[in-house]
Amino acid sequence: QSMLTQPPSVSGAPGQRVTISCTGSSSNIGAGYDVHWYHQLPGTAPKLLIYANSNRPSGVPDRFSGSKSGTSASLAITGLQAEDEADYYCQSYDRSLSGSVFGGGTKLTVL
Amino acid sequence: QVQLVQSGAEVKKPGSSVTVSCRTSGGTFDSYSISWVRQAPGQGLEWMGRIIPLLDMTDYAQSFQGRVTITADKSTSTAYMELSSLRSEDTAVYYCARLSSTTSGWRFDPWGQGTLVTVS
Repeated sequence: QSMLTQPPSVSGAPGQRVTISCTGSSSNIGAGYDVHWYHQLPGTAPKLLIYANSNRPSGVPDRFSGSKSGTSASLAITGLQAEDEADYYCQSYDRSLSGSVFGGGTKLTVL
Repeated sequence: QVQLVQSGAEVKKPGSSVTVSCRTSGGTFDSYSISWVRQAPGQGLEWMGRIIPLLDMTDYAQSFQGRVTITADKSTSTAYMELSSLRSEDTAVYYCARLSSTTSGWRFDPWGQGTLVTVS
């Protein structure tokens, strides 16, 4: 059972904008801990996509953006492209568990 | 640039143990932590534990306490994850990842390529 809640799936047509939500609690996101986002193509390892809520690692297009408010965070993808089709996971630290928690993952389908 | 390379796939019998290795390069092994995360078939990511090689200190997720042991060999910049008393539900891909820890939390980057452990 994931400590962070994400929608199982989202979809959008090429060029459109989609958002993926990530809802936590007062022991993780709501406690002020950063949210990070990863994307995972089939058969490959997860890769850091957004770190510290809204920062993009070098090489990640600015079509990807993140935000955080209260006990939730969200990932937005604009100008959808076929190559964006992947699984997306949010992750944060949980002080009650003294460890990391992940969302259950969201499968993005580009129609 | 830090790179993590894991050992190959394993097939194990229920009740046995498995050890997965994670060799790092391109960085100073003592300067970061290594975490292990697993992903069951078709499922999400689950944090298992971490080691701080400099301090030889470990933390484990409660759900794995007593069954997982994470160690590090500083001479070869390699971390190891041993999981014992294997059951079919432990069939998964096991990833190592560099863990960056700040007062604002943890993040994992980069990741190893993953090791499939099949319990059957």
